[in-house]
Amino acid sequence: GAVVSQHPSRVICKSGTSVKIECRSLDFQATTMFWYRQFPKKSLMLMATSNEGSKATYEQGVEKDKFLINHASLTLSTLTVTSAHPEDSSFYICSARGSSTGQPQHFGDGTRLSIL
Amino acid sequence: AQKVTQAQTEISVVEKEDVTLDCVYETRDTTYYLFWYKQPPSGELVFLIRRNSFDEQNEISGRYSWNFQKSTSSFNFTITASQVVDSAVYFCALSEQDSGTYKYIFGTGTRLKVLA
Repeated sequence: GAVVSQHPSRVICKSGTSVKIECRSLDFQATTMFWYRQFPKKSLMLMATSNEGSKATYEQGVEKDKFLINHASLTLSTLTVTSAHPEDSSFYICSARGSSTGQPQHFGDGTRLSIL
Repeated sequence: AQKVTQAQTEISVVEKEDVTLDCVYETRDTTYYLFWYKQPPSGELVFLIRRNSFDEQNEISGRYSWNFQKSTSSFNFTITASQVVDSAVYFCALSEQDSGTYKYIFGTGTRLKVLA
C-alpha cells in the first residue's frame, strides 16, 4: 500500500526555535500534500494544502509566515514552524494523495512537537 | 455546507461484541467520496475504506463492514466480534472536488474502547 514517511516523530525544543518537519511519499507521486494539526482528543484540523511546484493554500486563521510550507518535489513536502512558542505545541500530521480522482489521502505517522 | 457528524463521542464494548459507528454527512455535490480511518493510540491514521457516491454497495472486509445509504446520508461502520486491538479513534471523512484538491472534511471521531 501507499506509504508516507514523516520525520521527525517527536521534537522537544526551546521557545524561539524553528522546527522543520518532513513528509515524504515513498512509493507514489504525491501531487497534493496536506498538513494537519491535532489537539488532544480532537479531530484533525487542516492547516494547508500544497501542490507540487506551487504555493501552499492556507486555511483561514493559519498564519502563513508562522507555518512555512514547501512542496518542492512530487515526493517531499516540508512544514517549518518558525520561532515556535509553547502554544505551537501540538501533533502535526501530513498526508499525501496521488492525482487520480477520489484517491484517498495516506497519512504520515505524525510529529509530536513540544515547545518548552 | 459540507459537514460530517459522528454523534458518538465514545463507545465502550466488551470483547466479542459487535459495534456500529455512525457517520452522517451533508453535501450538495453529486460526486463525492467517503472514507473511514482508524487512529490507534500511537497516533498514525490508517486508511480503512473509500466509497464513492455512485457505489452504494455495502462492503465487508473480514470483521469490518460498511453500510452506505444515500437516502439517509449515512456511512456506518460495523466491527463484528470486536477485539481489544480495535480500540482506537475512528474518523469518518467526506471529500469533494474543491479546486481539484479533494480536501477532507473530518468528523469529530468516535473513540472505541474494547474491554477484555
